[in-house]
Amino acid sequence: AQSVTQLGSHVSVSEGALVLLRCNYSSSVPPYLFWYVQYPNQGLQLLLKYTTGATLVKGINGFEAEFKKSETSFHLTKPSAHMSDAAEYFCAVSHPPWGGGADGLTFGKGTHLIIQP
Amino acid sequence: GAGVSQSPRYKVAKRGQDVALRCDPISGHVSLFWYQQALGQGPEFLTYFQNEAQLDKSGLPSDRFFAERPEGSVSTLKIQRTQQEDSAVYLCASTDSANTGELFFGEGSRLTVL
Repeated sequence: AQSVTQLGSHVSVSEGALVLLRCNYSSSVPPYLFWYVQYPNQGLQLLLKYTTGATLVKGINGFEAEFKKSETSFHLTKPSAHMSDAAEYFCAVSHPPWGGGADGLTFGKGTHLIIQP
Repeated sequence: GAGVSQSPRYKVAKRGQDVALRCDPISGHVSLFWYQQALGQGPEFLTYFQNEAQLDKSGLPSDRFFAERPEGSVSTLKIQRTQQEDSAVYLCASTDSANTGELFFGEGSRLTVL
């Protein structure tokens, strides 16, 4: 079984400040890890993913995340927040060998990012 | 189309009515998922298809929920005798066969049951 915990259902930062959204996972095998973003009334869009190799991954819109096995974490960061970053962010986990189904992708409950002007 | 297409985008149903939600996945994508997203929550797995075969329906909350993908492309999620607790956004996602779990999502169908 696998699961994801996102600490903080709401995070508020000032425009230009560092964004840090926390994600911890539980998996009995080495995971694949994802961050998705959801804008209001839209579907989920992939920000970035970790499968194998370099543990620091870069995604779209200036976001990056680092896989830390020892901490079972995959926190999302962005050096300088922009108003357009306001959205819901979901961390998700799957694992190899990927076989779809209920373990195809398991999501956290999400973190609502608020950007203060 | 280039992306996953879902219809209708919004559906209001009276309690007890049947509804059908359609998903048109990315062309050539073998795998198709349905998720339910309640307000303020993350997506929750409902069911999974590989081509026309429904390989996992463990997330369907009751026997009122039924999904099909008869020709391995378009899928329909049907909810019979809708209840207020069925109000949610229903998300469809697809992916190709060689995958790590990166899913491509539609914009969802928002169901409101009165």
